[in-house]
Amino acid sequence: GEDVEQSLFLSVREGDSSVINCTYTDSSSTYLYWYKQEPGAGLQLLTYIFSNMDMKQDQRLTVLLNKKDKHLSLRIADTQTGDSAIYFCAENLDGGYNKLIFGAGTRLAVHP
Amino acid sequence: NAGVTQTPKFQVLKTGQSMTLQCAQDMNHEYMSWYRQDPGMGLRLIHYSVGAGITDQGEVPNGYNVSRSTTEDFPLRLLSAAPSQTSVYFCASSYRQGARNEQFFGPGTRLTVL
Repeated sequence: GEDVEQSLFLSVREGDSSVINCTYTDSSSTYLYWYKQEPGAGLQLLTYIFSNMDMKQDQRLTVLLNKKDKHLSLRIADTQTGDSAIYFCAENLDGGYNKLIFGAGTRLAVHP
Repeated sequence: NAGVTQTPKFQVLKTGQSMTLQCAQDMNHEYMSWYRQDPGMGLRLIHYSVGAGITDQGEVPNGYNVSRSTTEDFPLRLLSAAPSQTSVYFCASSYRQGARNEQFFGPGTRLTVL
């Protein structure tokens, strides 16, 4: 079945790296996404990775994809207080609509 | 561009009342979707549309209706509100680029049903 799982909470010190993990179940996923939700706001796309890639880097963000284990991670280097938010992993299922399945979200708390 | 707009931002209803959540986008996107967000459960798809005049059910469609008469608008109707429909509702629009479906979200409507 379709399922995306994430740990619910992560706390890091300002300046450290954050690693948010996600596992998914559908091997036909074509794209995998990371969205960020700040308090009281909608979701904003942070980055995505195509299923035939292992890694994608975008400034402070690094996405790693292990297709064999169906494991996706988002690393944020030099984490800042402005990075405090909920981070959602989503998989893009193949099909006419390319439906997105979201995880429950990981709340990242950054403390001084 | 305003992107995806939703009204109202907040709403309180009594059980049994009906109402319509409005959603509009000005990006000429083909696809539009409605999600609900509940604590610890992520986003769940309620209904979606792949173009004007075409709608389909998502994961949790019961108690909701949609229509898509124009590309821009995609209202969500609650027929007879129930406390289980207390949630935050997000509308999203998207375009397809090959197999990629990048969704743009509105700011959400926080609904409480008493």
